[in-house]
Amino acid sequence: DVKVTQSSRYLVKRTGEKVFLECVQDMDHENMFWYRQDPGLGLRLIYFSYDVKMKEKGDIPEGYSVSREKKERFSLILESASTNQTSMYLCASSLRVPSKSYNEQFFGPGTRLTVL
Amino acid sequence: KNQVEQSPQSLIILEGKNCTLQCNYTVSPFSNLRWYKQDTGRGPVSLTIMTFSENTKSNGRYTATLDADTKQSSLHITASQLSDSASYICVVKRNAGKSTFGDGTTLTVKP
Repeated sequence: DVKVTQSSRYLVKRTGEKVFLECVQDMDHENMFWYRQDPGLGLRLIYFSYDVKMKEKGDIPEGYSVSREKKERFSLILESASTNQTSMYLCASSLRVPSKSYNEQFFGPGTRLTVL
Repeated sequence: KNQVEQSPQSLIILEGKNCTLQCNYTVSPFSNLRWYKQDTGRGPVSLTIMTFSENTKSNGRYTATLDADTKQSSLHITASQLSDSASYICVVKRNAGKSTFGDGTTLTVKP
């Protein structure tokens, strides 16, 4: 079974703090994604990466950065957390080449971040 | 604009009853459509995947349909169970492009 793990299930930070969210997958997937999920807005793509050290902006990259130094690990960084970044953050991974999986994304359990 | 719209936004049914969730999309060119189930506090998990040539696909008590001409999909749940209480998300992928997520339907199954 594919496993995508995230470093924290719940996180509380203060405005202005630097926040690191870590994601690790164990299936040698090339693609990794970071989403945030808010009520009424669904999942919105923040950043994705299709290879080590490669990154692409998603739909809402402002206020975030990412790091992919190893294939299995994709980090989301909030340089200076703000209250409007309070949200559920979901990491996902998928194979790059569409095979029988048709680019199925496998999600982690999520990190609920609260910024006070 | 590539969009995915789901209805209803929320639904409450009694255990044992059937229900149908709807997904309409304008994403083009179409590659595939996937339904995910997301339990409270967990990440989404794939239920079914449908490509252009498929009309119906079942996964246990879940049956998904796709009408590529009208760009509509439905997810039918038969003989609902309490464990079916979750959010159901429709995701449409463009050919050589990104996936677009619907906002989801929250289903509550009551005893």
